[in-house]
Amino acid sequence: GQQLNQSPQSMFIQEGEDVSMNCTSSSIFNTWLWYKQDPGEGPVLLIALYKAGELTSNGRLTAQFGITRKDSFLNISASIPSDVGIYFCAGLTNAGNNRKLIWGLGTSLAVNP
Amino acid sequence: DAGITQSPRHKVTETGTPVTLRCHQTENHRYMYWYRQDPGHGLRLIHYSYGVKDTDKGEVSDGYSVSRSKTEDFLLTLESATSSQTSVYFCATGPGTDTQYFGPGTRLTVL
Repeated sequence: GQQLNQSPQSMFIQEGEDVSMNCTSSSIFNTWLWYKQDPGEGPVLLIALYKAGELTSNGRLTAQFGITRKDSFLNISASIPSDVGIYFCAGLTNAGNNRKLIWGLGTSLAVNP
Repeated sequence: DAGITQSPRHKVTETGTPVTLRCHQTENHRYMYWYRQDPGHGLRLIHYSYGVKDTDKGEVSDGYSVSRSKTEDFLLTLESATSSQTSVYFCATGPGTDTQYFGPGTRLTVL
């Protein structure tokens, strides 16, 4: 089935550093979502993007909906230890009545205090 | 927080036994989903519901069935559990198709 290419697969950074991750696809999406999953919990929605070129922030997090509609980016500024977790992207297709989210495999983030 | 609870949170069972997982929501969301999460595979959709008694298959539906008799409840049944169904199962809900809110998960081990 369809898949999103999410990269990098994992990151290990120092506290205070900025982080960038992205998702790409060969298909066009109408919505991009970014989630964070803490160990032992369900994913939590961070940012939703609905328009090509849209740039949306949520605190230290900023996400962008790519102009081509085939990619999206998430940046975290000045990372802190509680940013540790797995970040997932998801894209929504617009296939008539069969609209479903397509998920990336996640970026695992570790932050060294 | 979409007010989603899952039960049980942990379960250990034996191969061949039936298992039912429950998802309960208090947000009156129309859409409900069941996913499984395994290392290296991310989140994979098992079944979803777009209304009471309206369900459809996801990408990994073999061996699973679902039922939704009320807006707030979505049940996932493994008719005869196998070791390959050992996984963490997540329920999600959404008012529409463009956002989903997840429950805390159920960790299922099939011996």
